[in-house]
Amino acid sequence: LAKTTQPISMDSYEGQEVNITCSHNNIATNDYITWYQQFPSQGPRFIIQGYKTKVTNEVASLFIPADRKSSTLSLPRVSLSDTAVYYCLVGDMSGNNRKLIWGLGTSLAVNP
Amino acid sequence: GAVVSQHPSWVICKSGTSVKIECRSLDFQATTMFWYRQFPKQSLMLMATSNEGSKATYEQGVEKDKFLINHASLTLSTLTVTSAHPEDSSFYICSAGGLAGENTGELFFGEGSRLTVL
Repeated sequence: LAKTTQPISMDSYEGQEVNITCSHNNIATNDYITWYQQFPSQGPRFIIQGYKTKVTNEVASLFIPADRKSSTLSLPRVSLSDTAVYYCLVGDMSGNNRKLIWGLGTSLAVNP
Repeated sequence: GAVVSQHPSWVICKSGTSVKIECRSLDFQATTMFWYRQFPKQSLMLMATSNEGSKATYEQGVEKDKFLINHASLTLSTLTVTSAHPEDSSFYICSAGGLAGENTGELFFGEGSRLTVL
């Protein structure tokens, strides 16, 4: 299972774009990159998942370079409600092998 | 997305008692469910993986006789903390994945259950 490294914390202001980068140098061929958001005393919530290049959905974009050794979660125009911990996870999501290792995540604080 | 529900959302019990936490997948069948524990300001720690109809696989350091996991159906898994002690106080979270091959494996998480042992 690939280990991930991401900043412990980040600060931003409302309306700004926030980019959180995650390093995963030992990513395997079958591994996907998934980002989750967690608010205090709640279970994590899926944000976005990708394998390579760029993925975009209604809440975020995920940029993955060709070597896949890192990825960047981009949150456009954050609001106060985006204050949360963001986790980057790497793992083989096929079949029943969905075991993931969780790091400490990035604690994002959005200020008014 | 799919819904996973945990119950109870919080529970307080006396030391030495047992507590059962339920995890249900409400609108899909979950062949695999994962149980995590999260202490304050820390990350999620995987405790065990349960597959429907078979014994759970526990992570190293997790006592299987203390944390009993049952996954009797494709929509329900239970975690029982037996003879709970104050050090077992934590936030317990379950997650479920859909049937193999259906998608790239997005995991759906329950709301979490906060256990406080007095």
